[in-house]
Amino acid sequence: RKEVEQDPGPFNVPEGATVAFNCTYSNSASQSFFWYRQDCRKEPKLLMSVYSSGNEDGRFTAQLNRASQYISLLIRDSKLSDSATYLCVVNMWRDTGNQFYFGTGTSLTVIP
Amino acid sequence: GAGVSQSPSNKVTEKGKDVELRCDPISGHTALYWYRQSLGQGLEFLIYFQGNSAPDKSGLPSDRFSAERTGGSVSTLTIQRTQQEDSAVYLCASSLEFIAGGIVGETQYFGPGTRLLVL
Repeated sequence: RKEVEQDPGPFNVPEGATVAFNCTYSNSASQSFFWYRQDCRKEPKLLMSVYSSGNEDGRFTAQLNRASQYISLLIRDSKLSDSATYLCVVNMWRDTGNQFYFGTGTSLTVIP
Repeated sequence: GAGVSQSPSNKVTEKGKDVELRCDPISGHTALYWYRQSLGQGLEFLIYFQGNSAPDKSGLPSDRFSAERTGGSVSTLTIQRTQQEDSAVYLCASSLEFIAGGIVGETQYFGPGTRLLVL
């Protein structure tokens, strides 16, 4: 079983729509959680960290549910510039040190 | 401050040749990671450095791949006798770790990657 699983999409939504992505993780010992954004042929860039209490940054809201082992990302009022692949990332400590596990990404296209 | 840098940005090589990829992490970041990403695919973990040591080499796909890190800073990833299936984007990331009374990790920051094409 993969450490992190995401729905690959694609999600095609009109401008102004609200869209939500979910991600599940398999290891309850996971400690930190992130959403990254990756544009075509670019490196992943941190979008936001995810905290147990949930956190919001403008149009983006991230939530963590430890009991059910999933994290979510909500994008309100979608813009064309939101089109990208969104990567769910989970961090945990193992005997071999600090490890980050990446989902395969969810593709979002915002349509005019 | 300066982010993670990688060089070269693009590399075209012939099958069977060796290549060396370089990563300069963010100053002060003790952890360094190498990943590779094939077109349209997710990130594939290769190796993780904590300082100069590599406690996790589990992702290296074959013995043709090796990496080193010196001075707790710059890292090089070497691929010997390249094969066409090695063609991918090789991404480096660094993060800050606090190793005192329990290790604490921080966010990863990625470099722009090296696009490797093996003909």
